[in-house]
Amino acid sequence: EVQLVETGGGLIQPGGSLRLSCAASGFTVSSNYMSWVRQAPGKGLEWVSVIYSGGSTYYADSVKGRFTISRDNSKNTLYLQMNSLRAEDTAVYYCARQVEQQLRSWFDPWGQGTLVTVSS
Amino acid sequence: AIRITQSPSSLSASTGDRVTITCRASQGISSYLAWYQQKPGKAPKLLIYAASTLQSGVPSRFSGSGSGTDFTLTISCLQSEDFATYYCQQYYSYPPSFGGGTKVEIK
Repeated sequence: EVQLVETGGGLIQPGGSLRLSCAASGFTVSSNYMSWVRQAPGKGLEWVSVIYSGGSTYYADSVKGRFTISRDNSKNTLYLQMNSLRAEDTAVYYCARQVEQQLRSWFDPWGQGTLVTVSS
Repeated sequence: AIRITQSPSSLSASTGDRVTITCRASQGISSYLAWYQQKPGKAPKLLIYAASTLQSGVPSRFSGSGSGTDFTLTISCLQSEDFATYYCQQYYSYPPSFGGGTKVEIK
């Protein structure tokens, strides 16, 4: 069964750092495009970052320079290192596999999400 | 960046009703549109990709149509388990972008 499980969320003060993990099973993280998507409380979905199978990474403008996406192939795990956190980064963070067709891809499946709260 | 306008933001309907949700892209995206269902406290679940292809295991009462800039999700006969929030998402170009969501509530 294809499954994603996020961990690492919590309460953090503004300016602090946090690392999220996303453990995959049923498929190989390094062979797929993998993304982080977030959802602020009561709001819609916002794409955050992607890592391609070849290792290239891209970020939303709102997190560029502060967040870093990476993976550990030996652990089949995706990460999101979040630095210089702001109140507006408060959200549930989901990891998701991207399913590719004709060089483009949608999100499936999604993990259950982990809540990050940035507050003093 | 491509903007996706989804409407309505909410609707009230009864079991058995036919429900239609629309998404409009700010520029042409061919058929590179997906639909997701999200229930409270849960992750989004893929319903449809490539504008009209039903994901395996999704009931046939769900259907999608459209191409270019205008897209529609239709639930032909609303069931109790369909009360949820629905999002469309374009994957034509980066950054991927989502519609604002449509909350389907019980009338």
